[in-house]
Amino acid sequence: EAQVTQNPRYLITVTGKKLTVTCSQNMNHEYMSWYRQDPGLGLRQIYYSMNVEVTDKGDVPEGYKVSRKEKRNFPLILESPSPNQTSLYFCASSSPSNTGELFFGEGSRLTVL
Amino acid sequence: DAKTTQPNSMESNEEEPVHLPCNHSTISGTDYIHWYRQLPSQGPEYVIHGLTSNVNNRMASLAIAEDRKSSTLILHRATLRDAAVYYCILRGYTNAGKSTFGDGTTLTVKP
Repeated sequence: EAQVTQNPRYLITVTGKKLTVTCSQNMNHEYMSWYRQDPGLGLRQIYYSMNVEVTDKGDVPEGYKVSRKEKRNFPLILESPSPNQTSLYFCASSSPSNTGELFFGEGSRLTVL
Repeated sequence: DAKTTQPNSMESNEEEPVHLPCNHSTISGTDYIHWYRQLPSQGPEYVIHGLTSNVNNRMASLAIAEDRKSSTLILHRATLRDAAVYYCILRGYTNAGKSTFGDGTTLTVKP
């Protein structure tokens, strides 16, 4: 079954404690992306990757890092989380073209105290 | 980046057609129009996409204006399971990586 898997699905952490949200896809997609969703602000893109070792900033990259060492994985790293990073995070993947259908994970709800 | 504009909310009665509009006046020639929907407590899911011609699939139809500055997602017979937030986005040829979603339209379906 084609899927995008995110872990953890839920996490409560404290300010400054580094954390990583993993994202893995089994569709051999070149393109992967991270979004955050906050009430009233829709989905905002954090980072994206067009292929292995190729990453680029989205609209709200501050406070986040990503890496793309393998095609299937695209982890989101919060080096020093702050309360304003409390949000619902979604990972997505697709073929790299403008016709590619985006497949989304189920989301990771992060709370930073 | 080309942006899209959608109404914040719309209502429909069950089993009636629903027309969800989207404006994208700055669309470029190679931008595809994509629609996604997000059911409560789930990630967004793909609905349909198109370039110039109207498109149909098992979920919906997409009507694209001749000048491509607007499009309409058509749900032919709304069901209660269609209640969701619907997003219209553009995916370009040269910048397919940047996908700006906006706030979407919250569709309420009344029984």
